[in-house]
Amino acid sequence: EAGVVQSPRYKIIEKKQPVAFWCNPISGHNTLYWYRQNLGQGPELLIRYENEEAVDDSQLPKDRFSAERLKGVDSTLKIQPAELGDSAVYLCASSPKGGEYSPLHFGNGTRLTVT
Amino acid sequence: SQQGEEDPQALSIQEGENATMNCSYKTSINNLQWYRQNSGRGLVHLILIRSNEREKHSGRLRVTLDTSKKSSSLLITASRAADTASYFCATARGGGYQKVTFGTGTKLQVIP
Repeated sequence: EAGVVQSPRYKIIEKKQPVAFWCNPISGHNTLYWYRQNLGQGPELLIRYENEEAVDDSQLPKDRFSAERLKGVDSTLKIQPAELGDSAVYLCASSPKGGEYSPLHFGNGTRLTVT
Repeated sequence: SQQGEEDPQALSIQEGENATMNCSYKTSINNLQWYRQNSGRGLVHLILIRSNEREKHSGRLRVTLDTSKKSSSLLITASRAADTASYFCATARGGGYQKVTFGTGTKLQVIP
């Protein structure tokens, strides 16, 4: 099966500029996660979708971050405006369903550098 | 916030030796998962152990879980240079859906 696809792979922007990341999960996976990973740290959850519904966005900085998952398939994560502290790797993951025993399948991430 | 903490933060061993990584967590869980991340790549799922299990094996991997101590360990036997990567434990909790929270990771270097 095709894996989770993310684009772009790398992005360099100046602070205060907007940026968007795109994720295409594995076909048939209802659950989609966005994580942020700072250098040398583990991934931290930003938002989780069940189909098109955001069921956990408690960690998403809503003043500048937004996400959508139209039609319950692809998802886009946006930052506007970006700050220096947003430099990180943004990872998308999907799983078959949000049950108790479903491992996550990750994309290769988008490395964001804010200058 | 990170749910788990891994120990050690970094580990360097010779090829053929065994590598042991430990994970401690704070709250009750439904299951615990281990993932590997090669440099510049996404995480890859290795093994999942349920809260009612104590030990699980998969190839050269052995995972133990002690829910009374809120800890888990990952043992990689007969390590290879290709095992060089960062390893993360992740805890899954919550009813109805799993909230998966990752630890801080152990960076493993296997020297040929």
